[in-house]
Amino acid sequence: EIVLTQSPATLSVSPGERATLSCRASQSVAISLAWYQLKHGRTPRLLIYDASIRATDIPARFSGSGSGTEFTLTIDIVQPEDFVVYYCQHYHAWPLTFGGGTKVEIK
Amino acid sequence: EVQLLESGGGLVQPGGSLRLSCVASGFTFNNYDMTWVRQAPGKGLEWVSLISTSGLGTYYADSVKGRFTISRDNSKNTLYLEMTSLRAEDTAIYYCAKPYCTGSMCLHRFHDWGQGTLLTVST
Repeated sequence: EIVLTQSPATLSVSPGERATLSCRASQSVAISLAWYQLKHGRTPRLLIYDASIRATDIPARFSGSGSGTEFTLTIDIVQPEDFVVYYCQHYHAWPLTFGGGTKVEIK
Repeated sequence: EVQLLESGGGLVQPGGSLRLSCVASGFTFNNYDMTWVRQAPGKGLEWVSLISTSGLGTYYADSVKGRFTISRDNSKNTLYLEMTSLRAEDTAIYYCAKPYCTGSMCLHRFHDWGQGTLLTVST
């Protein structure tokens, strides 16, 4: 099983700053990695797929990078609605797995 | 517009059974693999199970293997999750989700999700 480790568990940033979230895979997943946003009481929302491609209707302030085992989700100019939890997920092999999540909180 | 509507959640005693359903609309259901993902209270997302377009291919997380069975009825555009030997740790919101598929290939990143149905396993 490919283990995805997200860091930090909690990221404190001020509105308007940049947030950088990390996802590390225990073995290579090539670019088969997605990022999701999950607001409390809402349904998961796909942000990024294939490591760096923004999903439909996702604002340009969200960007993804990386390949192999190291991946980053960057939120430029963090907006008030961005203070929620983010998960990475690989789809390189069975079983599919998610990372443990990073909560972005207001500093 | 893609719509996924889960139902069937509720309160079940440990050791009990329950079947979840997910009715799909807005896309050609039998052209897509389908999956279940869950989120336990205060925990992260956990992939549970996936089924191929025909239903012949099924995949499970180790945590549910042997206890849960995924199935589908393409004539009814419906996905199911039969859950037996339920445990307290199965308590979660269960989401059905649709991956990206093109032609005969699916990439299991999930673009569309239902609102979820809550399962509580407790005495």
